[in-house]
Amino acid sequence: GNSVTQMEGPVTLSEEAFLTINCTYTATGYPSLFWYVQYPGEGLQLLLKATKADDKGSNKGFEATYRKETTSFHLEKGSVQVSDSAVYFCALSVVGTNAGKSTFGDGTTLTVKP
Amino acid sequence: SQTIHQWPATLVQPVGSPLSLECTVEGTSNPNLYWYRQAAGRGLQLLFYSVGIGQISSEVPQNLSASRPQDRQFILSSKKLLLSDSGFYLCAWSVRDASYEQYFGPGTRLTVT
Repeated sequence: GNSVTQMEGPVTLSEEAFLTINCTYTATGYPSLFWYVQYPGEGLQLLLKATKADDKGSNKGFEATYRKETTSFHLEKGSVQVSDSAVYFCALSVVGTNAGKSTFGDGTTLTVKP
Repeated sequence: SQTIHQWPATLVQPVGSPLSLECTVEGTSNPNLYWYRQAAGRGLQLLFYSVGIGQISSEVPQNLSASRPQDRQFILSSKKLLLSDSGFYLCAWSVRDASYEQYFGPGTRLTVT
């Protein structure tokens, strides 16, 4: 089956610090990989994605590279802001299977202090 | 562009009362649709998914049910709520043939008292 393991939180950083949230996966088939962000009281929003090995997804200063050899998709940002405080979910979906169902990690809560 | 709506935004219901949460999608056809529940401080639990009108698959046994009476309408129901049904309910859709990213609604906060 498919599974996603992401770094446990909560993570607390000072503004302008470097962020890494680790994510590893196991999948039957060739997965697409995603990071979603959830701000307090809201639904999830797609942050970035990568659909094949060595692809780099990027958005709003966040980046993640699809590493097939290490089955990883770590999220990074060079300088976090207070507005980045949210819960981050790593997820995968295998094209053509399971009615498009995604497998999500448990989420990592990030708090950025000024 | 596509949009997804959920209502109500918040709901407080007594134990044993019925439930109906509605989700509608605009701007796309034949989407896959999903209902998730998120307990406080926890991850997402997939409850139901649907690949077409009247086609519902349940992921976990519970006292909830789902229906898809129209292509872009997805309803979550219960005949009698339990305290354990409290949580944040999220509806999402994805493109049917691509099985890629999912797009989430704003959620419904349900408190069962």
